Amino acid sequence: GAVVSQHPSWVICKSGTSVKIECRSLDFQATTMFWYRQFPKQSLMLMATSNEGSKATYEQGVEKDKFLINHASLTLSTLTVTSAHPEDSSFYICSAPDSRTGYGYTFGSGTRLTVV
Amino acid sequence: LAKTTQPISMDSYEGQEVNITCSHNNIATNDYITWYQQFPSQGPRFIIQGYKTKVTNEVASLFIPADRKSSTLSLPRVSLSDTAVYYCLVGSPGGSYIPTFGRGTSLIVHP
Repeated sequence: GAVVSQHPSWVICKSGTSVKIECRSLDFQATTMFWYRQFPKQSLMLMATSNEGSKATYEQGVEKDKFLINHASLTLSTLTVTSAHPEDSSFYICSAPDSRTGYGYTFGSGTRLTVV
Repeated sequence: LAKTTQPISMDSYEGQEVNITCSHNNIATNDYITWYQQFPSQGPRFIIQGYKTKVTNEVASLFIPADRKSSTLSLPRVSLSDTAVYYCLVGSPGGSYIPTFGRGTSLIVHP
């Protein structure tokens, strides 16, 4: 089946630094990528939708200048958390529609971000 | 966008059959029902998808009544490794649909 490879799986960074998370579609083209954030014992919350070659669409309350999304190719979308703070510590997950199988969506394995 | 309601948690024992029901009263004609499984610190994993009646694969069955206002995920003979959160999503795959997650059902399988 379709695979979305997400890296890194975990990262620890200092407050004020930036962290980049990558999601690659390995065997299909992802024109759209969804980015979610999940806090402990909570559900996935959609942050933004990225489309290849255009600006991302952010959900209400998500700072677009803080969470920079780039979708420069059909197989790569990145999320950069800029000037990270401890409250940004969370589990970040990407997802892409998989039109090949009809199952809908495939998810990355997630990135655990800890800001210290 | 069809809203879904699931039990927050369920407990079971190894070897038992587990049925998790999801309510989606305002499901649209073109909507499919998809179930995902999520383990701690992992992304959701597709389990099964259906439109009506019954669908079965190697890991689960999905029962959908004629009115499609609910669906039941059936896990036969669960094991400890089935302990996870299960999410029911309703929508039309592809197009402008964005998978939106409800609270999910936390299933704990006991020895």
